[in-house]
Amino acid sequence: GENVEQHPSTLSVQEGDSAVIKCTYSDSASNYFPWYKQELGKRPQLIIDIRSNVGEKKDQRIAVTLNKTAKHFSLHITETQPEDSAVYFCAASGPSNTGNQFYFGTGTSLTVIP
Amino acid sequence: GAVVSQHPSWVICKSGTSVKIECRSLDFQATTMFWYRQFPKQSLMLMATSNEGSKATYEQGVEKDKFLINHASLTLSTLTVTSAHPEDSSFYICSARPPDRVYEQYFGPGTRLTVT
Repeated sequence: GENVEQHPSTLSVQEGDSAVIKCTYSDSASNYFPWYKQELGKRPQLIIDIRSNVGEKKDQRIAVTLNKTAKHFSLHITETQPEDSAVYFCAASGPSNTGNQFYFGTGTSLTVIP
Repeated sequence: GAVVSQHPSWVICKSGTSVKIECRSLDFQATTMFWYRQFPKQSLMLMATSNEGSKATYEQGVEKDKFLINHASLTLSTLTVTSAHPEDSSFYICSARPPDRVYEQYFGPGTRLTVT
């Protein structure tokens, strides 16, 4: 099955700086890579996603890059704000007879210091 | 749109008893639902994939006789934790996928289970 690794596990940045979170995946058939933000005790919220036919996607301060050859993808948050503080999860998904499951990375706890 | 609810939001049960958690898609029909377990400060671990009208597909290492999943309608899936033990205490989250969305999943708010 798919194995997703995520680094770093914790990340502290000064407000206004950039934050980068990296993930690798093992299954070359994976073709969809969402990123979720989760606040304590709440449901994960999709913040951005990318499909395997695209190398980069940007949405305001958030961008994701994908390197299919190396099987890694990264989340970039620019001009960080205190409200960006949360746990971020990457995930990988691929074709499946039973439902295109998501396999999540281990999470990154991001703290933005005012 | 694409709202998923879970009930209850939290539950405390005694060791040895069973507890049922409901996952509902409120404004769409979900042919596929997923159940995850999340321990404190850890990732979401996929437990099983539930397709309406068929048996659930469990991930390796998940006991199907302990975690009973029923996807009886296009808007409801249930997870029953049988003979619960303290180590089953966790945050259980479901997600649902509309039939026209191949990749997307919409997550429920989660259920906090504490087994005493």
